[in-house]
Amino acid sequence: GENVEQHPSTLSVQEGDSAVIKCTYSDSASNYFPWYKQELGKGPQLIIDIRSNVGEKKDQRIAVTLNKTAKHFSLHITETQPEDSAVYFCAASRSGAVRDDKIIFGKGTRLHILP
Amino acid sequence: GAVVSQHPSRVICKSGTSVKIECRSLDFQATTMFWYRQFPKKSLMLMATSNEGSKATYEQGVEKDKFLINHASLTLSTLTVTSAHPEDSSFYICSARDSGLLADTQYFGPGTRLTVL
Repeated sequence: GENVEQHPSTLSVQEGDSAVIKCTYSDSASNYFPWYKQELGKGPQLIIDIRSNVGEKKDQRIAVTLNKTAKHFSLHITETQPEDSAVYFCAASRSGAVRDDKIIFGKGTRLHILP
Repeated sequence: GAVVSQHPSRVICKSGTSVKIECRSLDFQATTMFWYRQFPKKSLMLMATSNEGSKATYEQGVEKDKFLINHASLTLSTLTVTSAHPEDSSFYICSARDSGLLADTQYFGPGTRLTVL
């Protein structure tokens, strides 16, 4: 089955600098890669996703890149702000393969934005 | 974005009682909903997949008689923790998959903190 590895587990970044979180996946059939942000005591919130037919997607300060050949994808946050502090999860799945196909999550990255 | 609600947000119960948690998709239909459990500082652990109108599919090691799932409509799934014990204390989170065009997108609820005394 699919396995998603996520690095680093913890990341501290000075406010205003960029943060990069990297993930790899094992199932070459995976074609949908969402990223979630989870704040303390809350449910995960979808912040951006990418499908395998594109290599990059950007939404304001957040961007995601996908390298299908190498089977890795990354989240980039630019101009970091204190409210970016949270746990970020990458995930992978086979879109539309079966009705109850599962999303496989990485173990998460705890991002600290330092003042 | 799509909204998923959970109720209650927090519940404290005595050992041996049952607790029901509701998960609703508020502005979209969800033929598939998922139930997760999350321990402190850990990733989400999938417990079961809930399909509208059919039996839930449980992950290995999850007791289906202990964690009863009902998905009676396209906007509501419930998780009942039966005969709860302190080891069932956890953060339970549901997610709903939009049945529309982008059927792979999952939206999460805010979670339910269960404490069993």
